[in-house]
Amino acid sequence: DQQVKQNSPSLSVQEGRISILNCDYTNSMFDYFLWYKKYPAEGPTFLISISSIKDKNEDGRFTVFLNKSAKHLSLHIVPSQPGDSAVYFCAVAYNNAGNMLTFGGGTRLMVKP
Amino acid sequence: KAGVTQTPRYLIKTRGQQVTLSCSPISGHRSVSWYQQTPGQGLQFLFEYFSETQRNKGNFPGRFSGRQFSNSRSEMNVSTLELGDSALYLCASSTSGRVDEQYFGPGTRLTVT
Repeated sequence: DQQVKQNSPSLSVQEGRISILNCDYTNSMFDYFLWYKKYPAEGPTFLISISSIKDKNEDGRFTVFLNKSAKHLSLHIVPSQPGDSAVYFCAVAYNNAGNMLTFGGGTRLMVKP
Repeated sequence: KAGVTQTPRYLIKTRGQQVTLSCSPISGHRSVSWYQQTPGQGLQFLFEYFSETQRNKGNFPGRFSGRQFSNSRSEMNVSTLELGDSALYLCASSTSGRVDEQYFGPGTRLTVT
């Protein structure tokens, strides 16, 4: 039973436009949420996070939105660049400690020039 | 500062054998976590070590074990390999265990034939 789902396995976006990646989770006890980016042959790289006390966190071109009532988070990338093409994973944790993350299945983002 | 290193990068083993994978964390990092990535199950948490003690454990059979040395280097061992153990094994380190401070290594690709 998957606790974290990314329902879109892939997404294609034109350069300069907005990319929106979505993630749903089932357990309301999760209270820390993260996004990672992964290139082939490399480990995931941390992008941005949000705790359950917030509904939005912004870092440059990346914004994460959290809707606790819907158990849904999303990552917005604006403007999208070809270098953003990678697999994006959302991950959840019970708190910001213990390194125990539960990951979604990933969404492959392709940004076309 | 050198990143997380994992050895070997690629490994081929036969069903029934055992395997040991190694992870050297970033200097100063005391927490090491292990994850398994497979096409079917995605990224799954195996276990976390902090100061030579296992602090968290995921839902994997006892064939999967690990340890951490006094220099924070970690090893994971899989005994009696099964075909389904074919995966990318990722190691991540952090100073204290904060999930938003984890740095992942490039992984070890294990193929069981």
